[in-house]
Amino acid sequence: DQQVKQNSPSLSVQEGRISILNCDYTNSMFDYFLWYKKYPAEGPTFLISISSIKDKNEDGRFTVFLNKSAKHLSLHIVPSQPGDSAVYFCAASATSGSRLTFGEGTQLTVNP
Amino acid sequence: DTGVSQDPRHKITKRGQNVTFRCDPISEHNRLYWYRQTLGQGPEFLTYFQNEAQLEKSRLLSDRFSAERPKGSFSTLEIQRTEQGDSAMYLCASSIRDRVYNEQFFGPGTRLTVL
Repeated sequence: DQQVKQNSPSLSVQEGRISILNCDYTNSMFDYFLWYKKYPAEGPTFLISISSIKDKNEDGRFTVFLNKSAKHLSLHIVPSQPGDSAVYFCAASATSGSRLTFGEGTQLTVNP
Repeated sequence: DTGVSQDPRHKITKRGQNVTFRCDPISEHNRLYWYRQTLGQGPEFLTYFQNEAQLEKSRLLSDRFSAERPKGSFSTLEIQRTEQGDSAMYLCASSIRDRVYNEQFFGPGTRLTVL
């Protein structure tokens, strides 16, 4: 069963515009949510995270929103840059330090 | 400040052979994780250690897979009698216990190809 789902395999946006990547989860035990970025032939790179006690966390151009009642989170990138082009993974865990459950990823392409 | 390192980066083997991968975590990190990623999918959890203790294993981890972290520093993942279905990217990650947001930092991965 896919407990973390990213329904959009790909997203294309223009440089300078907002990129919005979405993620849904089914396991109500998940308490921590993270976004990772991955370039080809590299391991995932941590971007930003959020605990279930919050509904928003910002770090520079990246903001993560969490809607617990809808079991939905999103990553906003503003403004988008060509260097942001990568695969973005949403991940969740039930407790701090435990296993991460990943979504399938969304390929973001930012066009100059 | 060195990140997580993995060796080798690439491994090609014939079906039925044994392979071993090594992971060196970030030095002060006491938790170490192994994941496997196949094309078009996100990483799947295999197992994790806190110091030298193996705390959890996925049911995906068949008895052909074994992982160790003997001194609580580096870890090895061994696959015995490899099968073509074992072809994947094997990722190692590390983290510090009690880190609020459970940030795991990943290595570059070992790409295994079983012929």
